Formats: sequence, C-alpha cells, structure tokens
Amino acid sequence: EAGVAQSPRYKIIEKRQSVAFWCNPISGHATLYWYQQILGQGPKLLIQFQNNGVVDDSQLPKDRFSAERLKGVDSTLKIQPAKLEDSAVYLCASSLGKGETVYNEQFFGPGTRLTVL
Amino acid sequence: GQNIDQPTEMTATEGAIVQINCTYQTSGFNGLFWYQQHAGEAPTFLSYNVLDGLEEKGRFSSFLSRSKGYSYLLLKELQMKDSASYLCAKSSGGSTLGRLYFGRGTQLTVWP
Repeated sequence: EAGVAQSPRYKIIEKRQSVAFWCNPISGHATLYWYQQILGQGPKLLIQFQNNGVVDDSQLPKDRFSAERLKGVDSTLKIQPAKLEDSAVYLCASSLGKGETVYNEQFFGPGTRLTVL
Repeated sequence: GQNIDQPTEMTATEGAIVQINCTYQTSGFNGLFWYQQHAGEAPTFLSYNVLDGLEEKGRFSSFLSRSKGYSYLLLKELQMKDSASYLCAKSSGGSTLGRLYFGRGTQLTVWP
C-alpha cells in the first residue's frame, strides 16, 4: 500500500518569497492534515480537511498561509510571503476519517523541510 | 492549551528498560497516541490507549490513567535503533474529532 506522498522534500527560499507544498494522501483516506514542526518541537496542526471541506484551521496564520483540497484527494499548502520563522518541516498526514473506526490513526508523509533565509 | 508535558531528553543503555512519561489536560480527551520519530523522518505510529490500563505490543507497552491525565511508554530490551524522539499526542473529541495535540517529544539516546 502506497503511503502519503509529499513534494518537494526540501526547499530553500528567501524571506518574502512564496512557496507551495503538495501532498497526496493514502487512497481512500477522507481526512487530511497539515502540520508544522519546528526543530525540537512536536508537530502543530495547521489545518484539517474532511474530504474537500475544512474542519479546523484555527492555528493557520491566514494572513500568509492558505491550503486547499479541491477534489477531496490531494492538497496544496501555500505560504505567501514567507518569514524567517516559517523555517520548519511541513508534514502532511491522512486518516480514514470514518466515524465507525476505533481510532483515527494518522499516517504521516516524509515532510518538506523549508528553510527561509 | 492542552498542557501536554513530557521530558525533553532521556538516555539508556542497550538491553535496558526505559519509561517515558506524559501528562496532559484531561478535558476533551478522546485517546492517547505514542509516535516514534527518527531524525529527519516522519512520525510513525507506536500505540493508542483510550481505556485505562496497559497495552502491550512486543517490546513496547503503553499505559493510560484517564483520571490522572497520565500515560507512559515503556520500552524493553532497548536496541540502538530505538534512539529517536518519542511523541505523546492527545486526541480530541467533539467537533474536532481526531485532531492530535502533540507534546514536544522526548529524545531518547541508547548507548552501547
């Protein structure tokens, strides 16, 4: 079974530039998550999608970050303009998202390491 | 916040047993996950507890006390490959069902 795919794996940009990340979840997974993980910290949820609808984006800095999942499958996360403090690993995760499951185990992609200079 | 607290670092020797503790805010609780994360890699699932007690899975076990807001991950017969960060994560319920709140992670170093 293919896992969660993300690209690019690494990105270096200068502050005030724009950047976009792409995620393709595990086939059949209804729920998709974007996390930001700053070095030495645990992942912090930025946005959660259920199919193509947003469930939770309370931690997303909406003045510069945006995300979409138009067809309910793959997703893009964009930062415009980037700041130095956005340097982090951006992790995408997916889960079945079905109410009848015992738990919603999340499967993570390899992440995109962003460096903002 | 969710007040998820776990030690920053731990060290142990090969073959030993180590216990990594995690405390969390009890409100809005829907389960407790443990993930393992090797440097530069994505977190991988280790265990899930939703009821009180011990869940055993080979060399790894996880314990939960819901009333105390406390969990621990127990690693037995440590191997060098167990050197990694161990993330405690609380799952929420209600309108944000499935959302995970992660602790900062415990960096475990296993020495030969």
